[in-house]
Amino acid sequence: EPEVTQTPSHQVTQMGQEVILRCVPISNHLYFYWYRQILGQKVEFLVSFYNNEISEKSEIFDDQFSVERPDGSNFTLKIRSTKLEDSAMYFCASSMTSGYNEQFFGPGTRLTVL
Amino acid sequence: QKEVEQNSGPLSVPEGAIASLNCTYSDRGSQSFFWYRQYSGKSPELIMFIYSNGDKEDGRFTAQLNKASQYVSLLIRDSQPSDSATYLCAVYNAGGTSYGKLTFGQGTILTVHP
Repeated sequence: EPEVTQTPSHQVTQMGQEVILRCVPISNHLYFYWYRQILGQKVEFLVSFYNNEISEKSEIFDDQFSVERPDGSNFTLKIRSTKLEDSAMYFCASSMTSGYNEQFFGPGTRLTVL
Repeated sequence: QKEVEQNSGPLSVPEGAIASLNCTYSDRGSQSFFWYRQYSGKSPELIMFIYSNGDKEDGRFTAQLNKASQYVSLLIRDSQPSDSATYLCAVYNAGGTSYGKLTFGQGTILTVHP
């Protein structure tokens, strides 16, 4: 069964460093998303992406965040200058349509900022 | 602020019993409703979705939607210890400026004891 994959599974970085989280969405899906979940808290929407541009972003997704689909398979989230409060699980998700919007999540990347 | 509320639990049921999980939402324009299961340290796994008022059954799971009351529930029949997890309710409004954002509740912890 097709699935969303994410790398790395765990990333440790120093505050102020840049990190890139990578995702390979399900191959025939057209809509891509990033969510994050701080330990013990809700899953929070960050950004949606369709047709090579951002469709919607949350207030969390400020100028230090960016997304890119550099080729036909990868979807990346870049955090330019990490802060302690960026420590969280980051989940990539994809869906075939935006209609009923069944989203399938990848296994996540645990980001630890020291 | 569009909210999704769930009883955080924990909800404890004996093996073989019916587990009932509830969710309310504030956005009347919401159109799609999802139940995800999340094991500790893992990503959300889609188990059920519902768009129309009434019941939808899939194996041991039944989702119930009442848009007038802004209420969605998940019933798990013949609960098994492997069902022990956090159950996340997620809501999607396809109208207005939303392009894929799922709004999650905080989740209900379910424990099924032998």
